[in-house]
Amino acid sequence: DIVMTQSPDSLAVSLGERATINCKSSQSVLYSSNNKNCLAWYQQKPGQPPKLLIYWASTRESGVPDRFSGSGSGTDFTLTISSLQAEDVAVYYCQQYYRTLTFGGGTKVEIK
Amino acid sequence: QVQLQESGPGLVKPSGTLSLTCAVSGGSLSSDYWWSWIRQPPGRGLEWIAEIHHGGSTNYNSSLKSRVTISVDKSKNQFSLNLTSVTAADTAVYYCARNAPPVWGKGTTVTVSS
Repeated sequence: DIVMTQSPDSLAVSLGERATINCKSSQSVLYSSNNKNCLAWYQQKPGQPPKLLIYWASTRESGVPDRFSGSGSGTDFTLTISSLQAEDVAVYYCQQYYRTLTFGGGTKVEIK
Repeated sequence: QVQLQESGPGLVKPSGTLSLTCAVSGGSLSSDYWWSWIRQPPGRGLEWIAEIHHGGSTNYNSSLKSRVTISVDKSKNQFSLNLTSVTAADTAVYYCARNAPPVWGKGTTVTVSS
């Protein structure tokens, strides 16, 4: 199984400041057929299902604000919120879909 | 665009069988995708349960494999999950999803209780 390790577990950031979440996979999730990384990021607020933010490591889902961006390749990935807004308070998960599905443990983002 | 909708009983008795269905609309289950079930126990993270391809190939989470069956009904454009011998630890929100690119249903809550 591919193990996904997220860091940090929680993060407190001032409004308007940058938030950075890291995700590391135990093996490469680069799909050779399309040269894309099989990595997605989700945002989950209490009582709601996970909302897809980013897929193929850096493709923003339609309707997602451009303050959210994804980067990385191979085994190391980052989700960046460029200017944290109050509505961004949530738990964020990374997920690989290279081989079955596995998820990171989640990162809780709060306002400092 | 593709939409997924889970359905099934919200309450299952201990030692019983949990059965859920995922209806796929706006697209064909017979397209070249893998389709999964995922669950999230209260206050915890996300756990992948199983996946199926329209051709019938399946993969299961090793921790649940002995109790899980995933199946597909192409005529109804839906796929299903059966989880046997349930306990309180199986209480969770259950989601169905297309693997890649990801599309998820809104989830259905299943409680295991007598």
